[in-house]
Amino acid sequence: DPKIIQKPKYLVAVTGSEKILICEQYLGHNAMYWYRQSAKKPLEFMFSYSYQKLMDNQTASSRFQPQSSKKNHLDLQITALKPDDSATYFCASSQENISNERLFFGHGTKLSVL
Amino acid sequence: AQSVTQPDARVTVSEGASLQLRCKYSYSGTPYLFWYVQYPRQGLQLLLKYYSGDPVVQGVNGFEAEFIKSNSSFHLRKASVHWSDSAVYFCAVSFNNNNAPRFGAGTKLSVKP
Repeated sequence: DPKIIQKPKYLVAVTGSEKILICEQYLGHNAMYWYRQSAKKPLEFMFSYSYQKLMDNQTASSRFQPQSSKKNHLDLQITALKPDDSATYFCASSQENISNERLFFGHGTKLSVL
Repeated sequence: AQSVTQPDARVTVSEGASLQLRCKYSYSGTPYLFWYVQYPRQGLQLLLKYYSGDPVVQGVNGFEAEFIKSNSSFHLRKASVHWSDSAVYFCAVSFNNNNAPRFGAGTKLSVKP
């Protein structure tokens, strides 16, 4: 019974389009994260949120915008998609945004941009 | 610069053999250290973590890791691997308080029957 739900599991998009990746966690955690994993780069940190506030952003492009409408949601909006955006995007959460906390990961959304 | 390195992209061992997966970091302070495992088509799961105390930490499924500050290393070990240990193993490091962990490139472990 997954506690971190990512939707969809697979997503195919055309270059230039916009997509939203959904992440919901049912662990009662206060911190949520996005990571990206591709063949070119290993697991790469993107964003961290704590109590729905942005804590850290390591994504250079403004085309990636996290959206937190509820405490247990952290969606990722990607605009003007490029083939290089093809990757598996992982959502994670932890009890608090503290460095010694373990992260719990979702199963990922695999995005393919044609 | 702060970084975490896993020098071995792939490791193959025979079932029953011992295992060591290497991890080194670059940081002037004392980091928070983690090992995670990723099975096919799944998210990452925590194996073990370290911040202070006994430098040898025990994890799940017989894994352990040793923090050697003088070497800036946190290698993962297992005395006897099983075929089900085949997966990708990630070392992760948090360099400052409130910072999300940064991950190494991962080591793909294949266990031969």
